[in-house]
Amino acid sequence: GNSVTQMEGPVTLSEEAFLTINCTYTATGYPSLFWYVQYPGEGLQLLLKATKADDKGSNKGFEATYRKETTSFHLEKGSVQVSDSAVYFCALRRVLTVGNQFYFGTGTSLTVIP
Amino acid sequence: DSGVTQTPKHLITATGQRVTLRCSPRSGDLSVYWYQQSLDQGLQFLIQYYNGEERAKGNILERFSAQQFPDLHSELNLSSLELGDSALYFCASSGTTNTGELFFGEGSRLTVL
Repeated sequence: GNSVTQMEGPVTLSEEAFLTINCTYTATGYPSLFWYVQYPGEGLQLLLKATKADDKGSNKGFEATYRKETTSFHLEKGSVQVSDSAVYFCALRRVLTVGNQFYFGTGTSLTVIP
Repeated sequence: DSGVTQTPKHLITATGQRVTLRCSPRSGDLSVYWYQQSLDQGLQFLIQYYNGEERAKGNILERFSAQQFPDLHSELNLSSLELGDSALYFCASSGTTNTGELFFGEGSRLTVL
């Protein structure tokens, strides 16, 4: 089947610390992988994505590399800011002839303290 | 702005009642998804529609139902409400392109008293 497993939170870091949130997946075929972010009081929004193996998605200083050999898509940022405090969701997408199917991880809450 | 509109933003009702949540997808998107987000359960997939037809079902209770209309908007109906149904309900839409992603609305917060 298809599923996403991500690191349990919550995670608390000091400003300028290095961030890693682990994500591994199980999928049939060749899924696309995504990280979504949910800021307090808002809906989820796309942070970055990768559509094939070895692709690196990046946005706002965050990066994640699609590793087929380890079925992973870990999220990293070199220096977090207070404004990065949010819940981060890893997700995979299967493309079907009748639309897309998405599978989400449980979310990892990140709090960055000054 | 994701282009996905959900109404109402907030709803307070009593146990046993019925409510309808509405979603307008992004222009041109044929797929609509409904998710429930509660503190203890995370983001739970409920149901997916594609161009008016049900395509996938997740952990949707029998008391809940949904439909997608010819103009592609969707409604999620929740009946015989229980305290545990209090949650954020998100609608999302996607297209069918290879780079397609999910676009989420801001959610409808349901409180059952």
